[in-house]
Amino acid sequence: DAEITQSPRHKITETGRQVTLACHQTWNHNNMFWYRQDLGHGLRLIHYSYGVQDTNKGEVSDGYSVSRSNTEDLPLTLESAASSQTSVYFCASSRQGPYEQYFGPGTRLTVT
Amino acid sequence: DQQVKQNSPSLSVQEGRISILNCDYTNSMFDYFLWYKKYPAEGPTFLISISSIKDKNEDGRFTVFLNKSAKHLSLHIVPSQPGDSAVYFCAASAQTSYDKVIFGPGTSLSVIP
Repeated sequence: DAEITQSPRHKITETGRQVTLACHQTWNHNNMFWYRQDLGHGLRLIHYSYGVQDTNKGEVSDGYSVSRSNTEDLPLTLESAASSQTSVYFCASSRQGPYEQYFGPGTRLTVT
Repeated sequence: DQQVKQNSPSLSVQEGRISILNCDYTNSMFDYFLWYKKYPAEGPTFLISISSIKDKNEDGRFTVFLNKSAKHLSLHIVPSQPGDSAVYFCAASAQTSYDKVIFGPGTSLSVIP
């Protein structure tokens, strides 16, 4: 069965460290997204990609970067982790057009 | 400025009764709307969607109503079951960029047995 996975599921890191969160999907979807979920804000878009070599900034992209070298993976990198980036991060994928997104299980990141 | 609003952070309903979750949007370009359901420690899962060419879409116990003039949609769950207890997110997108979806802050539904 097709799926979307995230790793690690939990991560504790220190302020200033570089952190990379992995996202892998086997749906063969062109679109991939990274969101963060914080209380009172719902899901906010960090970065998204419509295909290989394509990346775009979302509404809360500062301090984050992504790269898309193949269809299946969209890793999210925190260049220099800050306490404000403590959150739950969700990766998602979808077909192009007005279709639902499929979400991974999430990564809980704590920056101390 | 939130483009998609869910003004009730939480809602409690007795098992067997109707649950009504509300969502308002400000961007008149939005023409495709989705509801997602999220259990703790899991990712959101798609529940139901509606296009602006319709004013109602039904899937089993779940019905979404769209009032374009009021920029309002609602999700009705009938009858409510304890397994429906979850956070529900409303989401919207526009024809100019269907792939980019804006989510509301969510409503936490508790169905009491």
